[in-house]
Amino acid sequence: SQQGEEDPQALSIQEGENATMNCSYKTSINNLQWYRQNSGRGLVHLILIRSNEREKHSGRLRVTLDTSKKSSSLLITASRAADTASYFCAGAAGNKLTFGGGTRVLVKP
Amino acid sequence: DTAVSQTPKYLVTQMGNDKSIKCEQNLGHDTMYWYKQDSKKFLKIMFSYNNKELIINETVPNRFSPKSPDKAHLNLHINSLELGDSAVYFCASRATGDYGYTFGSGTRLTVV
Repeated sequence: SQQGEEDPQALSIQEGENATMNCSYKTSINNLQWYRQNSGRGLVHLILIRSNEREKHSGRLRVTLDTSKKSSSLLITASRAADTASYFCAGAAGNKLTFGGGTRVLVKP
Repeated sequence: DTAVSQTPKYLVTQMGNDKSIKCEQNLGHDTMYWYKQDSKKFLKIMFSYNNKELIINETVPNRFSPKSPDKAHLNLHINSLELGDSAVYFCASRATGDYGYTFGSGTRLTVV
């Protein structure tokens, strides 16, 4: 079964705008990870946040984690056309990484 | 290049055939995985090996059999292929600890 839901399922923004997507998960996790998948390609690891962390930054990415609500958010600031992709959250528990359904992001130039 | 590499990239085959997908990683990771991505982009874990030992075996038809000859290789053999097996299969690996996974570029399997 899927770890949880991602919201929205699709997002269309103009270049330069910020993109925010949310993820909810069902079970306890050790960490939560975000991945990007360009069309027809494999998944690329973006950022990992541990269960005892609340916020993390990496370049134009900001991720938050609320373990009490079992939710996370990914913010991409100052989006670029190259950010067009599907973004997946995934909860890690033990040796297993379970993915959400993904958010398709279209950044229009 | 350090990476997770899968072969073949595309596989078109008829129902009832048997096929294999190969995966190799040169990252020195101990744990490797097979994931299936369906037409709606949902990713589901299938199997995981840690240093050649099977540690995760999800509810997968027994027509699917993984094999790990060493910790750098994880192959997937599929017997008696069915239309519903059509999907993209991803191999991944990770180091021990809180690290992200490294995914291969995927094998698109089409059963006709």
